[in-house]
Amino acid sequence: QSALTQPASVSGSPGQSITISCTGTSSDVGGYNYVSWYQQHPGKAPKLMIYEVSNRPSGVSNRFSGSKSGNTASLTISGLQAEDEADYYCSSYTSSSTWVFGGGTKLTVL
Amino acid sequence: EVQLVESGGGLVKPGGSLRLSCAASGFTFSSYSMNWVRQAPGKGLEWVSSISSSSSYIYYADSVKGRFTISRDNAKNSLYLQMNSLRAEDTAVYYCARANWESRSFDYWGQGTLVTVSS
Repeated sequence: QSALTQPASVSGSPGQSITISCTGTSSDVGGYNYVSWYQQHPGKAPKLMIYEVSNRPSGVSNRFSGSKSGNTASLTISGLQAEDEADYYCSSYTSSSTWVFGGGTKLTVL
Repeated sequence: EVQLVESGGGLVKPGGSLRLSCAASGFTFSSYSMNWVRQAPGKGLEWVSSISSSSSYIYYADSVKGRFTISRDNAKNSLYLQMNSLRAEDTAVYYCARANWESRSFDYWGQGTLVTVSS
């Protein structure tokens, strides 16, 4: 149950786009379309932003999008806004019927 | 409105036990798989355990297997986590999270309860 690999930090200016990668194995990210992404502001509970690789829950801005290629999933945030500054975590269902999270990526809006 | 409210956290000595609870409301609790996810101070999220809607399927992370027990009471709309043989590395905020089984995602989270294991 090794954690998925995410960059520790990314940054961008308001209005720009950023992409966060999430690399796993064929037993998790590569094996299923059950990748989800969560946003967490300091001191708050995580919030689901993307599910099943690329689907957005109701109420989540269409500036957030997801994709996957092989064992790597990606979250893209376009038109960066100050409120997007937060920690982002990917997660995948696994072949062991468990879940695994990424180590998290801190997004800084410059 | 879906609500998940955790309770039961606190300070416990290494080797001790603690029982966490999660009270659910605003949805048909008995229809959903439920999970515990934890976050050590300043660290990332770690999935801990899951239990299916009827308690038929239960899974644990290797880090807690044999020490933690997840359970639920659908009549009381409640989820539990019995934690035994606690270690310093179990110190974390523990979140209760509802799983959307179709998407294998955690669509609702509680605010968390802090467990501190220290002598």
